[in-house]
Amino acid sequence: EIVLTQSPGTLSLSPGERATLSCRASQSVSSSYLAWYQQKPGQAPRLLIYGASSRATGIPDRFSGSGSGTDFSLTISRLEPEDFAIYYCQKYGTSLPYTFGQGTKLEIK
Amino acid sequence: QIQLVESGGGVVQPGRSLRLSCAASAFTFSSYAMHWVRQAPGKGLELVALISYDGSNKYYADSVKGRFTISRDNSKNTLYLQMSSLTAEDTAIYYCARDPGTRQQLNILDYWGQGTLVSVSS
Repeated sequence: EIVLTQSPGTLSLSPGERATLSCRASQSVSSSYLAWYQQKPGQAPRLLIYGASSRATGIPDRFSGSGSGTDFSLTISRLEPEDFAIYYCQKYGTSLPYTFGQGTKLEIK
Repeated sequence: QIQLVESGGGVVQPGRSLRLSCAASAFTFSSYAMHWVRQAPGKGLELVALISYDGSNKYYADSVKGRFTISRDNSKNTLYLQMSSLTAEDTAIYYCARDPGTRQQLNILDYWGQGTLVSVSS
């Protein structure tokens, strides 16, 4: 089972700044089967990115994903107030179980 | 718009059973695999179970295998999770979620319900 480790645990930034969140896998993630989700307090997660770099429907272009192999990142180019939330990466694909990282909390500085 | 609405959560004693439901609307339910994912209080996300679009294939996390049963009724657009022999470790918000692959399983989750809280306590 592939273990995903997200860093940092908490990221404190101000609106307008750039955020870079990291997700490292214990083994190579085949075909870049890596997704990112956003979860706000009291809400369900929302799919942001799949295939490491493809934005899901309706996701603003300030969100971008990159990476391959074992190292992936989610970048938010200019933080909006509504972007402060917890972000999870997920390894998916045909091999089960799929797994999630432990999350990065993006908080307002 | 696409909606998933869970129900059936509540407080239950250890060892007892509970059945969760997830009512789907505004999409062709019978064409999509469905998943149950849970989140313990203040914790991360964990796959619980998933079922193929036609119900022929099912997967369970090791932590629930033999105790939980996932099923679906495509005529009612409803997903179920029958949970038995519940323990405190099963306390969590349970989300149902749609897999966006049409008649296939991609194992990503594009639509989620609002979740239903299951609390196992004596």
